[in-house]
Parts: sequence; structure tokens; C-alpha cells
Amino acid sequence: QVQLVQSGAEVKKPGASVKVSCKVSGYTLTELSMHWVRQAPGKGLEWMGGFDPEDGETIYAQKFQGRVTMTEDTSTDTAYMELSSLRSEDTAVYYCATVDGDYVYFQHWGQGTLVTVSS
Amino acid sequence: QTVVTQEPSFSVSPGGTVTLTCGLSSGSVSTSYYPSWYQQTPGQAPRTLIYSTNTRSSGVPDRFSGSILGNKAALTITGAQADDESDYYCVLYMGSFWVFGGGTKLTVL
Repeated sequence: QVQLVQSGAEVKKPGASVKVSCKVSGYTLTELSMHWVRQAPGKGLEWMGGFDPEDGETIYAQKFQGRVTMTEDTSTDTAYMELSSLRSEDTAVYYCATVDGDYVYFQHWGQGTLVTVSS
Repeated sequence: QTVVTQEPSFSVSPGGTVTLTCGLSSGSVSTSYYPSWYQQTPGQAPRTLIYSTNTRSSGVPDRFSGSILGNKAALTITGAQADDESDYYCVLYMGSFWVFGGGTKLTVL
């Protein structure tokens, strides 16, 4: 069974960057398609981007292009999401989630990481 | 811009049946969008309920079912229980990206 364990809460100042990690167990990262979804306080879920195994590229939601970078360290089965130029609106819980390749749904979820952006 | 629509809130009596829907601001939802549904309680990560329109995720009770109703995807809860009180989100696959609906807050009372 896939388990995703994320790094702990972060507090950042506006303009800074944050890097959230997601450690995989039960499978290797190369067997999975990892994506990131965020949720601002009291708001809904928002897809940010993830790995497309069909072409081997990482795809990003248009809203975050240029500001987000998603990487993977296959030696440690850990995925990372780095968001730069943080603003208060980026305060949210960030989730990693695996996407099933056949039915393109979010199959397994991490527990979430709260990122607070405040001066 | 693609907007996925959901009812902001809904209420159901214990034991009752409720159908939540997931539409598109322009156009119809079909199985080609691989609609999936997620349940979320406060402070918890989402839980996958339904994928590919109508397939229940492992361990999901059969009182949850998915379908296409008219031009929308639908999640039906038959015999609602108190612990079904949650937020429910649908998401549609747009071919190269995903769009979540705004979520429906379901109250069981």
C-alpha cells in the first residue's frame, strides 16, 4: 500500500520560497505519478501540477507556471514542491497525491503541509 | 477558463438519499472527463470515493455511487449516515490538467 508522508508546517515571509517534501513508501517513486494539490483556509482544492508519465514531463497549472517547481529524488523516493515569490494568498495546506495512470484520478494522498505566508 | 460547478451546500436527513452534481460552466460532463469524487472532513486530507465516473475506491461503502445524470456527473449517497457530513469535491480531467469543483458542504440532520 502506498503511503505518502509530508514534511512539517512552514512559516515564510512574503517574497520567500518554500520547499515541501513528500516521502513515498510501499512503492518506488518511479512507479508513481506524483501531483500536488493545495487548499487555502476555508476554500476548495486546487490542482497545481504533477508528473505526466506519458511524456516524462512535469506539467504545471497555468496559474503557477514560472513560480512552482516539482522535482523528484528517486534515490530516496521523495518528491518535492517548491513555490517561490510567496504572497499571503499562498497560505494553504499543500498535499501531494498520486495519480492513477489508467483512470486519471487522485488515488493516494499525503497528510498535508500547512504553509503560512506572513510578515 | 474552465469552471467546474458544484452546489455550495446540501442537507439530507439520516437515512435519506442525496445526489450531488458536478457540472461545467460551458458544455456537458461525460465519462471522457473521468470524473472522480472526494470526501473531506475538517483538518483531514481528502479521501477518494469514486473514480472514472462510477467506480468505488477500495473500502468505500456501496451507499456511495457515481453516475452521469443529464449533462453532469453525480454522486449519490443512499441511506445517509451522520458521519457522511463532510465536504465533497469532484474533479474533472481536461486532457492535460485537472480542475476541481468548489465543493459541496453536506449536512446530515
